[in-house]
Amino acid sequence: DAKTTQPTSMDCAEGRAANLPCNHSTISGNEYVYWYRQIHSQGPQYIIHGLKNNETNEMASLIITEDRKSSTLILPHATLRDTAVYYCIVSPRPSTGANSKLTFGKGITLSVRP
Amino acid sequence: SAVISQKPSRDICQRGTSLTIQCQVDSQVTMMFWYRQQPGQSLTLIATANQGSEATYESGFVIDKFPISRPNLTFSTLTVSNMSPEDSSIYLCSVEDGTATSFNEQFFGPGTRLTVL
Repeated sequence: DAKTTQPTSMDCAEGRAANLPCNHSTISGNEYVYWYRQIHSQGPQYIIHGLKNNETNEMASLIITEDRKSSTLILPHATLRDTAVYYCIVSPRPSTGANSKLTFGKGITLSVRP
Repeated sequence: SAVISQKPSRDICQRGTSLTIQCQVDSQVTMMFWYRQQPGQSLTLIATANQGSEATYESGFVIDKFPISRPNLTFSTLTVSNMSPEDSSIYLCSVEDGTATSFNEQFFGPGTRLTVL
């Protein structure tokens, strides 16, 4: 079972920031928070990951609360192409030879409207 | 990043038959994964396939139903055996980037959409 809970859906206006919440209250100390997204009819795509510090890359920002029990993925300027299902996943940092499986929950469907 | 292709992209099959799905990667990778995504659902991991060893299956999936081959570091196949309509799903393979040793970045193929009549 997925160790995360996300709202079922949300929408935002094009050009505005999209803030996608995720709860992971049972996260362990060695587990990272990963975000993937799945655009319709495509395979999932990695977005970002973090342990306890906030992270930013060219796609998004990840804000993790100090107690690590929740996080928010921020798409700073959402476009129509960002319409997708976004999955928040917790998983241990892989070590050499370890099984790095990802457990996907139901995700949150983000709809970006013109 | 790894580029992954799958064949076939889609198929319609009769119940009781078997279908083999191919996954090709443009670089050598250690770990490959097979997922199933049933209509309207999230992804469920079927098995992990490492080159040179038997695949490791997740709970609810067995080798007789989903035999997997991993003959080399760039290729794997998943067979869906003795199919029933309940096997209608999208089947995706993914690989872990061998250079991304510090985190679980997986790259996914486009999927194979299977319909069983």
